[in-house]
Amino acid sequence: QSALTQPPSASGSPGRSVTISCTGSSSDIGRYNYVSWYQQHPGKAPKLIIYEVTERPSGVSDRFSGSKSGNTASLTVSRLQAEDEADYYCSSYAGSNFYVFGPGTKVTV
Amino acid sequence: QVQLVQSGAEVKKTGDSVKVSCQASPYYFTDYGFTWVRQAPGRGLQWMGWINTHNGNTNYARKLQDRLSLTRDRSTSTLYMELKTLKSDDTAVYYCARGKTSDYDSGAYEVWGQGTMVAVTS
Repeated sequence: QSALTQPPSASGSPGRSVTISCTGSSSDIGRYNYVSWYQQHPGKAPKLIIYEVTERPSGVSDRFSGSKSGNTASLTVSRLQAEDEADYYCSSYAGSNFYVFGPGTKVTV
Repeated sequence: QVQLVQSGAEVKKTGDSVKVSCQASPYYFTDYGFTWVRQAPGRGLQWMGWINTHNGNTNYARKLQDRLSLTRDRSTSTLYMELKTLKSDDTAVYYCARGKTSDYDSGAYEVWGQGTMVAVTS
């Protein structure tokens, strides 16, 4: 099964922006637009914040945005707030009816 | 109310099987597909498999397909995840999650259960 890579950590000051990358291959991110991003606070279940590369679920702040270029997807968190401090995971469809998650990025504000 | 309620924590021995349940609302049970994801302590998320609640069709992660069984009971709006021949590295929190459609796994899991801790000891 394919693997996605994410930086282990990222940080930004309150009010600034941080961008997290998620690099896959031409078999997953590069081929399909089923890229999602999840936010997870310690001890909590993950929360969907972006799906289908750029779409935001109802109720998710517009400070979260997603994009994709080639085999790399990115999540940008704008106007950072203290509550954005969490782990962020990307996932992508990898063909043959299975999905793969990235290893996660810990964001520090 | 949109929520998924999972069964309680389990402690198992290596070689045992575990069956975790996930109860959904009957109002939307067959409108969506459901996925199972697990997370070992201090580790990332791992996609395990998906089930179509209409017809029971399933997709499994290759590494787990010989030991994993996802089923559903439409009469009680309950999903089940059974993992057999448990190993120590199956120790994890197991989550059920609801997708956006019943037709295929969209990868967009909007609603999550609270998680079920499964500890496997030797």
